[in-house]
Amino acid sequence: GQQLNQSPQSMFIQEGEDVSMNCTSSSIFNTWLWYKQDPGEGPVLLIALYKAGELTSNGRLTAQFGITRKDSFLNISASIPSDVGIYFCAGRPSGTYKYIFGTGTRLKVLA
Amino acid sequence: NAGVMQNPRHLVRRRGQEARLRCSPMKGHSHVYWYRQLPEEGLKFMVYLQKENIIDESGMPKERFSAEFPKEGPSILRIQQVVRGDSAAYFCASSLPGATNEKLFFGSGTQLSVL
Repeated sequence: GQQLNQSPQSMFIQEGEDVSMNCTSSSIFNTWLWYKQDPGEGPVLLIALYKAGELTSNGRLTAQFGITRKDSFLNISASIPSDVGIYFCAGRPSGTYKYIFGTGTRLKVLA
Repeated sequence: NAGVMQNPRHLVRRRGQEARLRCSPMKGHSHVYWYRQLPEEGLKFMVYLQKENIIDESGMPKERFSAEFPKEGPSILRIQQVVRGDSAAYFCASSLPGATNEKLFFGSGTQLSVL
């Protein structure tokens, strides 16, 4: 099935560092959603984006909807140990109802 | 304000049996999505339903899988004659009507294990 290209696949960082991850697609998207998933749990919504160029923050998290409508990035500032988990982007291609998920970025924070 | 409720959390079936997974959306939500996730992978879209209607089932296998969202009661994902390859985590998400500022909220999932 169709998936978004999400990078990096995984990253180890030191506590206090900033983190950046992104998703790209060959299709135009109308909506971007960013999620965090902990083991054995469902994804939890972090940020939602609806317009090209939109920049939205949620605490230490900031995400942007790319101008071309084919990409989005998520930044986490001053990472802490509880940021550990898998981060997924999800996008809704123009003209469809379904949301396509990225392959995930596995974040590990070293104290 | 209860979130999306899925049950059971864990379901064990033998090959050839039927699996029924239930999803109760958040209060006021009338749209339900079902996704499947294998270990170390992302979520794969299966089906999108509104009350009493299947809107997009392009991710559903043609055989053995079906989904419904009746006027009353939870959404049901049904897998007939399960095989080992059906073992996965199945998540449902719900959203409010209206595509402008849609947000999907997920349940905790059902882990299906086929012996």
